[in-house]
Amino acid sequence: GAVVSQHPSWVICKSGTSVKIECRSLDFQATTMFWYRQFPKQSLMLMATSNEGSKATYEQGVEKDKFLINHASLTLSTLTVTSAHPEDSSFYICSASQPARWSYEQYFGPGTRLTVT
Amino acid sequence: DQQVKQNSPSLSVQEGRISILNCDYTNSMFDYFLWYKKYPAEGPTFLISISSIKDKNEDGRFTVFLNKSAKHLSLHIVPSQPGDSAVYFCAASAKGFQKLVFGTGTRLLVSP
Repeated sequence: GAVVSQHPSWVICKSGTSVKIECRSLDFQATTMFWYRQFPKQSLMLMATSNEGSKATYEQGVEKDKFLINHASLTLSTLTVTSAHPEDSSFYICSASQPARWSYEQYFGPGTRLTVT
Repeated sequence: DQQVKQNSPSLSVQEGRISILNCDYTNSMFDYFLWYKKYPAEGPTFLISISSIKDKNEDGRFTVFLNKSAKHLSLHIVPSQPGDSAVYFCAASAKGFQKLVFGTGTRLLVSP
């Protein structure tokens, strides 16, 4: 149980275009989903927290107009990188949780490698 | 300001021996701690967690110890296996907050 999928697993896009990444909880209802970013050999940096049906809460320094997060259902959250630039190239990982069931545990997707050329 | 620190970037251990990964934190509001294992280009996998009301939690080969007074936790893997080779992250959460704060990770290499 507690399987989270991400799509696509990797994407290459041109500078100035937008990219959408999907995160799905496959066998549970995720009341909360999180989006992280990881640079090579660095830790996971939380970008935003989204609760189903509510606006996402962004961490300090994360541009909410650039990284659009939608959590429209209990099994799906999307991250859209708008007007992508090469510095947005990174490994993006989502996680999902169900606090009432698992306390603070989060279950992670496999990640999406974004390369902006 | 790194609230969760893993001071050893790497650790090498022989198969069958004990691996001890350490983690220190600074925020006294943290009351729940987790360990994750991560392979390259994959998402982290949850291993084990511990609440601040406990000082030890065990699950098979994995044991987490928590020393609240020292703001220190450790993950013991025994016996270590080559398949344990990965990057290990500790993470912490404060009561009432859903988000996790991750450490910088320790790369464990278990050699046959």
